[in-house]
Amino acid sequence: QVQLVESGGGVVQPGRSLRLSCAASGFTFSTYAMHWVRQAPDKGLEWVAVISYHGKNKYVIDSVRGRFTISRDNSQYTVYLDMNSLRSDDTAVYYCARGDKVGSISAFDFWGQGTTVTVSS
Amino acid sequence: DIQMTQSPSSLSAYVGDRVTITCRASQGFSNYLAWYQKKPGKVPKLLIYAISTLQSGVPSRFSGSGSGTDFTLTINSLQPEDVAIYYCQEYGTAPQTFGQGTKVEIK
Repeated sequence: QVQLVESGGGVVQPGRSLRLSCAASGFTFSTYAMHWVRQAPDKGLEWVAVISYHGKNKYVIDSVRGRFTISRDNSQYTVYLDMNSLRSDDTAVYYCARGDKVGSISAFDFWGQGTTVTVSS
Repeated sequence: DIQMTQSPSSLSAYVGDRVTITCRASQGFSNYLAWYQKKPGKVPKLLIYAISTLQSGVPSRFSGSGSGTDFTLTINSLQPEDVAIYYCQEYGTAPQTFGQGTKVEIK
């Protein structure tokens, strides 16, 4: 069965860095785009970043551009989110989600359980 | 970037009622419109994709419709377990924006 397991969250001071990981299993990871979505406390879902199945195409939202980098290692079935210069408004639960299969456009059908990032001094 | 606006932001209805949530896009796009259900402490759940296609395992009381810029999620015969926040999303092109959410409660 499809599983996505995030890790790497924690409490970090403003300006510091954190790397989130999402380990996938149960499907052919290298044929799917992967996303990161976050939910700040008492806020809605916010799409953050996407990486194509081969890792060559990436896109992040304006508010994290230049600070966050999405990457993947298909041999390790893992997608990453490197977060630098963290701010208090980055505090959220971060979810990874499975997206498009090669050759198709798909909604986010599987999600991880989320990992919590708290940016606080 | 496409902006997604949902209405209402919250609603309260009786068990058995029919509930309708609207999602309006800032510009028209193809049929890449999805609806998700989010319960507190739970993972978001895909309910509907491609405007009206029910995800496997989702109860048939959920349905989606619309085209262009206006889309609707309908819950026929609201059940207690449907209490949640519902989000629409345009997933065809990045950024795959979500609506701000509609909170559904039971009277």
